[in-house]
Amino acid sequence: GESVGLHLPTLSVQEGDNSIINCAYSNSASDYFIWYKQESGKGPQFIIDIRSNMDKRQGQRVTVLLNKTVKHLSLQIAATQPGDSAVYFCAGPGGSQGNLIFGKGTKLSVKP
Amino acid sequence: DTEVTQTPKHLVMGMTNKKSLKCEQHMGHRAMYWYKQKAKKPPELMFVYSYEKLSINESVPSRFSPECPNSSLLNLHLHALQPEDSALYLCASSQVLAGGQYTQYFGPGTRLTVL
Repeated sequence: GESVGLHLPTLSVQEGDNSIINCAYSNSASDYFIWYKQESGKGPQFIIDIRSNMDKRQGQRVTVLLNKTVKHLSLQIAATQPGDSAVYFCAGPGGSQGNLIFGKGTKLSVKP
Repeated sequence: DTEVTQTPKHLVMGMTNKKSLKCEQHMGHRAMYWYKQKAKKPPELMFVYSYEKLSINESVPSRFSPECPNSSLLNLHLHALQPEDSALYLCASSQVLAGGQYTQYFGPGTRLTVL
């Protein structure tokens, strides 16, 4: 079946540095991916999405890169701030329309 | 407005109780979802409603009963739950357009504890 997974369960960065969170997927037909941020005690918050007809998409301080050849995507956060501390999930399409499969999540900790 | 609201925020119930979780959105989304999330785990899909009709049930036990009274509201009725059902229950909504995936927007969740 489909799967979406993250490479590292935790990531610690210094405030002001750039962060890179990685994700791999198994289904080469997957056409849409989303990154969510989940702070403690809150629901997942949409950060950015990307469709398979794109290699890169930029938002405010965030960039998502999609490499369809190796079925890998990454979330880059520029100038990481303490408020960026959270668990980050990548998500991709599951078997049925409307079904999202989430990766295991990477916990980002920002050191002041 | 990209807000999905959920009530209650916290719920403690015994195994013989009947309770309901409520979710509301006013974004005009016609798909609504229930997820269950255990600590340090990703959300797991339970149910999907599309145009107020149940379209996906991920083999959820019958002690969880979803209901979609209208396009803005989604309920999850709980009965005879087990302690292992304790978790964060998340509601989400999205557009429904042919042939594609669309971003799901999540509510803050209901933290459920079953004693």
